[in-house]
Amino acid sequence: DSGVTQTPKHLITATGQRVTLRCSPRSGDLSVYWYQQSLDQGLQFLIQYYNGEERAKGNILERFSAQQFPDLHSELNLSSLELGDSALYFCASSVQKGSNYGYTFGSGTRLTVV
Amino acid sequence: GENVEQHPSTLSVQEGDSAVIKCTYSDSASNYFPWYKQELGKRPQLIIDIRSNVGEKKDQRIAVTLNKTAKHFSLHITETQPEDSAVYFCAPSGFNKFYFGSGTKLNVKP
Repeated sequence: DSGVTQTPKHLITATGQRVTLRCSPRSGDLSVYWYQQSLDQGLQFLIQYYNGEERAKGNILERFSAQQFPDLHSELNLSSLELGDSALYFCASSVQKGSNYGYTFGSGTRLTVV
Repeated sequence: GENVEQHPSTLSVQEGDSAVIKCTYSDSASNYFPWYKQELGKRPQLIIDIRSNVGEKKDQRIAVTLNKTAKHFSLHITETQPEDSAVYFCAPSGFNKFYFGSGTKLNVKP
């Protein structure tokens, strides 16, 4: 157990729908990062939150949004889902603000859009 | 954003041989150089990392070497074992840079 909790582990939904993925960071970590990993692909950085505020943005689509709550858990919202959004979504946490030093990844949420 | 390239994209070695994976990056401000291992269907896990003020770091069978001038760093695995089979990612990091390389699939044949 890495200490980073992601729920749900699996999600199957239809095109056009909206889903929410949840991440609880490791105790003491203030930063949460979201990554998308399509089949046999690398890790695409989506967005980072630090202590409740958006800190950095990567290749995140406008249909996607995220937030970090006062208890530091984060949610990634994916709307108007398309078949191409099917992927593994990982979150990672760290104590750091500006680098990926000390990243710990959760086990991921596998999203299947049908 | 950061331009990160890994070579080779796939690597097949015989058990007991050595494996070397290279990562090149473009951002001269990068100062932290980790390598992650991802087994099929599992989360990436940090296996070794190095800071920019160090040229080489070793941990048992794995090592990382850094050439900041040339902007590349490499992962070295000696005496490979079947359980080393996985995808390896580099993730050179500077301030507010969180990009990963495209990955190298290592296959260790028994």
